[in-house]
Amino acid sequence: GDSVTQMEGPVTLSEEAFLTINCTYTATGYPSLFWYVQYPGEGLQLLLKATKADDKGSNKGFEATYRKETTSFHLEKGSVQVSDSAVYFCALSDGAAGNKLTFGGGTRVLVKP
Amino acid sequence: GAVVSQHPSWVICKSGTSVKIECRSLDFQATTMFWYRQFPKQSLMLMATSNEGSKATYEQGVEKDKFLINHASLTLSTLTVTSAHPEDSSFYICSARDSGRRSYNEQFFGPGTRLTVL
Repeated sequence: GDSVTQMEGPVTLSEEAFLTINCTYTATGYPSLFWYVQYPGEGLQLLLKATKADDKGSNKGFEATYRKETTSFHLEKGSVQVSDSAVYFCALSDGAAGNKLTFGGGTRVLVKP
Repeated sequence: GAVVSQHPSWVICKSGTSVKIECRSLDFQATTMFWYRQFPKQSLMLMATSNEGSKATYEQGVEKDKFLINHASLTLSTLTVTSAHPEDSSFYICSARDSGRRSYNEQFFGPGTRLTVL
C-alpha cells in the first residue's frame, strides 16, 4: 500500500537558519503530494502541494519539488522564523486509492530566537 | 473560504457514555468528509470516509459500531463515540472535500476535538 516516510524530529533551529525536512513516498499510482502544517493547538493547514513530477510547490517561503525519480518531496525554507515552529506533515493522495490522504509521521520543528 | 469547523473543541466524559462530535463545512458543500484520529505526538490515522446520504466506509481495524458516522447533509457529518472508554481518549480531526472545486482531491481540515474519557 501507499506510505510516506519523513524524518523524525524534533528539529531545533535558530532563527534565520535553513530548514530541510526529508520526505519520501511509495505509491501504486501517480500521487499528488502535500505538506501540511499544524501549529500548536490548531488543526492542519495546507502549506503547499504538487500534483505531478517536477512540479514545485511554494508558499510562505517554503518550497518542495516533486521528484519522481527519487520518490521524494523534501520541504525547504531558507530562513526560518520563530513563528514557523510547528509540526509538519508530508502526505500523498493517490487516485488509485480513492484519493485518500496518507500521512507521514510528522516532524516537530522548534525555532529559537 | 473553505472553512471547516468542529464542535465541541474539547470534551470530557465518563467511561460508558457516548459523545457526539460535529464537523461542518461553513462555506462550501462537501459530499465527502473524512474522520481521523491523532494520538499525542503521532500522525493522523484515517478512521473512515463519510459520504453524504450513504453509509460511511471504515478503515481496517476501526469498529463501525463503536464509531458511528452520519453524513446527513452536504455540510454536516457527525462522529459518535459510543460507550467510550479511556483508550478512546484522543484528538479527533475531520476534513472535508469541496465538491465544487476543480482540485477535488484537496481536503480542508477542522481544528480538531480533544476527547478525554475518565
